Amino acid sequence: DQQVKQNSPSLSVQEGRISILNCDYTNSMFDYFLWYKKYPAEGPTFLISISSIKDKNEDGRFTVFLNKSAKHLSLHIVPSQPGDSAVYFCAANDQTGANNLFFGTGTRLTVIP
Amino acid sequence: DAGITQSPRHKVTETGTPVTLRCHQTENHRYMYWYRQDPGHGLRLIHYSYGVKDTDKGEVSDGYSVSRSKTEDFLLTLESATSSQTSVYFCAIRGPGTEAFFGQGTRLTVV
Repeated sequence: DQQVKQNSPSLSVQEGRISILNCDYTNSMFDYFLWYKKYPAEGPTFLISISSIKDKNEDGRFTVFLNKSAKHLSLHIVPSQPGDSAVYFCAANDQTGANNLFFGTGTRLTVIP
Repeated sequence: DAGITQSPRHKVTETGTPVTLRCHQTENHRYMYWYRQDPGHGLRLIHYSYGVKDTDKGEVSDGYSVSRSKTEDFLLTLESATSSQTSVYFCAIRGPGTEAFFGQGTRLTVV
């Protein structure tokens, strides 16, 4: 069973507009959430994270929102740029056991110039 | 950039042969992971290590084994490769912070 879900396989956005990527999770023991960005033929790179004790974290054009009651988080990119075109993975840290990261299936973002 | 390298970067192998992928880090991080990436599945954890000679299974460990005899090296072995193990394999390391750093990946094709 997928504990972290990204229900939108793809998203297209005009340059300069906002991109919103969504992620849902099922495990209430997740204590930390991360977003990774992946270009073709490269490994995923860390983008931004949020602790479960917060509801918002901002880093430049990137903001992550966490709604614990809904078990939902989202990544906002404003303004979107063509270089943001990539696959974005949501990940959650399981604080039990070995602190493993569980990943969603990814959302391919295309920013149209 | 985190010092993590994977080898080989590409490999084609025949069904039934053993294959070993190597992950090498220069960061002295305690945790090391092997993931596979497949369309529609995202990144799935195969095995992980929390120290030298300390390893455990992840979500999709059947058909795979690992070894960690030194802090810097984490080996993933496909004991008898099958076509279902055709995938892109990523190694990751994790230190005191919560984010993991990934290698460039190994594209494995089993024919």
